Amino acid sequence: NAGVMQNPRHLVRRRGQEARLRCSPMKGHSHVYWYRQLPEEGLKFMVYLQKENIIDESGMPKERFSAEFPKEGPSILRIQQVVRGDSAAYFCASSPSAGSSYNEQFFGPGTRLTVL
Amino acid sequence: LAKTTQPISMDSYEGQEVNITCSHNNIATNDYITWYQQFPSQGPRFIIQGYKTKVTNEVASLFIPADRKSSTLSLPRVSLSDTAVYYCLVGLNYGGSQGNLIFGKGTKLSVKP
Repeated sequence: NAGVMQNPRHLVRRRGQEARLRCSPMKGHSHVYWYRQLPEEGLKFMVYLQKENIIDESGMPKERFSAEFPKEGPSILRIQQVVRGDSAAYFCASSPSAGSSYNEQFFGPGTRLTVL
Repeated sequence: LAKTTQPISMDSYEGQEVNITCSHNNIATNDYITWYQQFPSQGPRFIIQGYKTKVTNEVASLFIPADRKSSTLSLPRVSLSDTAVYYCLVGLNYGGSQGNLIFGKGTKLSVKP
């Protein structure tokens, strides 16, 4: 059973370009979470999605950032008009359906975004 | 969600037992305590979770006193490969819409030969 997959692993963009980060959850997982990690910092929650629904986006910046988890295909985190401050590691995690006994989240390897 | 406080860094030697303590004075009745491990350039990995007393698995033990205002992660006989950042998290054992984990800065454990 493959783990959480993220691609690309590394992404370089120039200021003003768009960045699209993809996350495929573990098989059978319908809950996806996105986190951002700056150097020497802990992960910061961004958004929590279930299939076709955004459950909690309280950690998402109000502008330029959006996320989706369509019925088919991976979850996408989209950053429009990137700025240098967006440079970070972005981690995706997934968990089983609601009703699991505890909130273990399985993390992907991350996408490291560098904005030039 | 309750805030956690843990040491920024710890040093140890191979073969020693390492205990990392986390304070969470404002833990709520429904909150569970969870520890994650993160190696450089990787995503965090779940280690252990508990509610009270003691929990043990093949990797670690978690000790939680009766007042639950702190917890201690115990790693027996560490090796160089245990060098990582360890995060203590406190939050709901959710089944509903509350899904986000709150990570602090963690404890950077360095194991030396």
